[in-house]
Amino acid sequence: QSVLTQPPSVSGAPGQRVTISCTGSSSNIGAGYDVHWYQQLPGTAPKLLIYGNSNRPSGVPDRFSGSKSGTSASLAITGLQAEDEADYYCQSYDSSLVFGGGTKLTVL
Amino acid sequence: EVQLVESGGGLVQPGGSLRLSCAASGFTFSSYWMHWVRQAPGKGLVWVSRINSDGSSTSYADSVKGRFTISRDNAKNTLYLQMNSLRAEDTAVYYCARDSPTGYHIDYWGQGTLVTVSS
Repeated sequence: QSVLTQPPSVSGAPGQRVTISCTGSSSNIGAGYDVHWYQQLPGTAPKLLIYGNSNRPSGVPDRFSGSKSGTSASLAITGLQAEDEADYYCQSYDSSLVFGGGTKLTVL
Repeated sequence: EVQLVESGGGLVQPGGSLRLSCAASGFTFSSYWMHWVRQAPGKGLVWVSRINSDGSSTSYADSVKGRFTISRDNAKNTLYLQMNSLRAEDTAVYYCARDSPTGYHIDYWGQGTLVTVSS
């Protein structure tokens, strides 16, 4: 059971917009700790996608955006592309690094 | 370019030991906190352990406390994870990861090394 809760799967057609939610509690996201997102393409290591709730590292397309409110956060992907098919993980802090269970994005 | 290269994984029997290494390059290793994160087959990411920049402070997940030891050699730019009393549930890909200087997240990951605990 992960500390942060994510939907197991989401899907969308190319060009569409999808969102992935991440729900925490008053001891992690609700305590003011930032939420970060990682993308894990099939068979590869995770890669930092969004940090500090809504910041993109250099090289990450602006199709990816993040937000945080209260005890939850969301990752939005617009203009969905086939190459976006991957697992996405949210992460925050709760006495240690804590992760969501991951969401598998399928591009239809 | 930041590079983290893990090694030392393999097949080990329950109750056995293994030491993982992570060779770091492309950045000033001695200035960064480091983590180990694992991923069981088909499962999600789980934080295992972290160490501060000079090795004087460590932290562990409850599931590995007392069995795993994280350490580092800043002269060799290398991070280690000594794993003792291994159990089947420790089977996973183990990732070495760099802690972001902006805090509380990981900015670079290694490619991972697979540890399989089985008789």
